[in-house]
Amino acid sequence: GENVEQHPSTLSVQEGDSAVIKCTYSDSASNYFPWYKQELGKGPQLIIDIRSNVGEKKDQRIAVTLNKTAKHFSLHITETQPEDSAVYFCAATYRDSGGYQKVTFGTGTKLQVIP
Amino acid sequence: DAGVIQSPRHEVTEMGQEVTLRCKPISGHDYLFWYRQTMMRGLELLIYFNNNVPIDDSGMPEDRFSAKMPNASFSTLKIQPSEPRDSAVYFCATAPSTGSRSGNTIYFGEGSWLTVV
Repeated sequence: GENVEQHPSTLSVQEGDSAVIKCTYSDSASNYFPWYKQELGKGPQLIIDIRSNVGEKKDQRIAVTLNKTAKHFSLHITETQPEDSAVYFCAATYRDSGGYQKVTFGTGTKLQVIP
Repeated sequence: DAGVIQSPRHEVTEMGQEVTLRCKPISGHDYLFWYRQTMMRGLELLIYFNNNVPIDDSGMPEDRFSAKMPNASFSTLKIQPSEPRDSAVYFCATAPSTGSRSGNTIYFGEGSWLTVV
């Protein structure tokens, strides 16, 4: 099955600096890669996603890059703010031979933005 | 849409008691997932349904855990009897079937925080 590795597990940055979280996956059948943000006491919420026909996607301060050849994808947050402090999860998704959606999550990165 | 609705939000129960967690999916979503989150193991997929049918329950830890989806609007996750090691946050999440061939976004509920003492 799919295996997703996520690094780093914790990340502290100064407010205004950039943060980068990296994930690798093992199954070349994966072709949809969402990123989730989980704030304390809440469920994970989608913040950005990318599909395999795209190499990069940007939404304001957040961007995601995908390298299908190397099987890795990354989340980039620029101009970090204290409200960006949360746990971030990457995921890799594909549909199996039966057409069912399979999702594998990374282990999470706890981001702390220091004011 | 109100999103995925879970209840209870918090539950404290004694070891040996039955625990029932409930989920109302987003209307029109054909997939329903139950996840467990702990510090040690992260997000674990317990079971998922498609069109109310259980597709993969290989993540259910033991026979003490069972899940049902009697209709498209409701699912339960039951633990009987509960044990202290079951203490965790349990998330229900749903996703549509239609849309992209590669996969669709999963939407999570706010979670049910279970403590077994």
